Amino acid sequence: GQQVMQIPQYQHVQEGEDFTTYCNSSTTLSNIQWYKQRPGGHPVFLIQLVKSGEVKKQKRLTFQFGEAKKNSSLHITATQTTDVGTYFCAGPNWINNNNDMRFGAGTRLTVKP
Amino acid sequence: EAQVTQNPRYLITVTGKKLTVTCSQNMNHEYMSWYRQDPGLGLRQIYYSMNVEVTDKGDVPEGYKVSRKEKRNFPLILESPSPNQTSLYFCASGLSTDTQYFGPGTRLTVL
Repeated sequence: GQQVMQIPQYQHVQEGEDFTTYCNSSTTLSNIQWYKQRPGGHPVFLIQLVKSGEVKKQKRLTFQFGEAKKNSSLHITATQTTDVGTYFCAGPNWINNNNDMRFGAGTRLTVKP
Repeated sequence: EAQVTQNPRYLITVTGKKLTVTCSQNMNHEYMSWYRQDPGLGLRQIYYSMNVEVTDKGDVPEGYKVSRKEKRNFPLILESPSPNQTSLYFCASGLSTDTQYFGPGTRLTVL
């Protein structure tokens, strides 16, 4: 079945450093979504990418969707302590007509002040 | 306030004792789903529903049941819980699979 892999599993940075998490799917995705989960909280939707090669920005966050629509990345510039949390990518299961969702295992980001 | 609610938030039970976790959304969303979250495994979808009376299996449906009799409610049923179902459960809803709004989570422990 479809697999969504995410690396790294953990990332610890000093405040002000940049951070990147990568997402790879075993199959082509119709779209990819990113979520953030704060410690003790629930996942919160950040963004959706649909087009091949698409790049979107949200303040210090930059999201990219690969040309083949099988990979994606989230880059945070100059991390802050408010960026702490686990970042998940997710995509619809192409094999099953896009109705069920597959999530990556997440990247847990910690930021040292 | 637009939200997804789940009850209970915490539950400790014993093996074999049937339980139901309720989920309700007030956003008139057609798509609802259940996930379980385990350390290192991320979120895995259990069941989803495209609309009333339409449900389908996700990635890990074994040991779970769902029903969708009303648009706003999507309860998760564990007929005979086992310790390997100890997990953090999230309900989510959305207009489709494009954006998912998650509930606060239910932490279940099966002894």
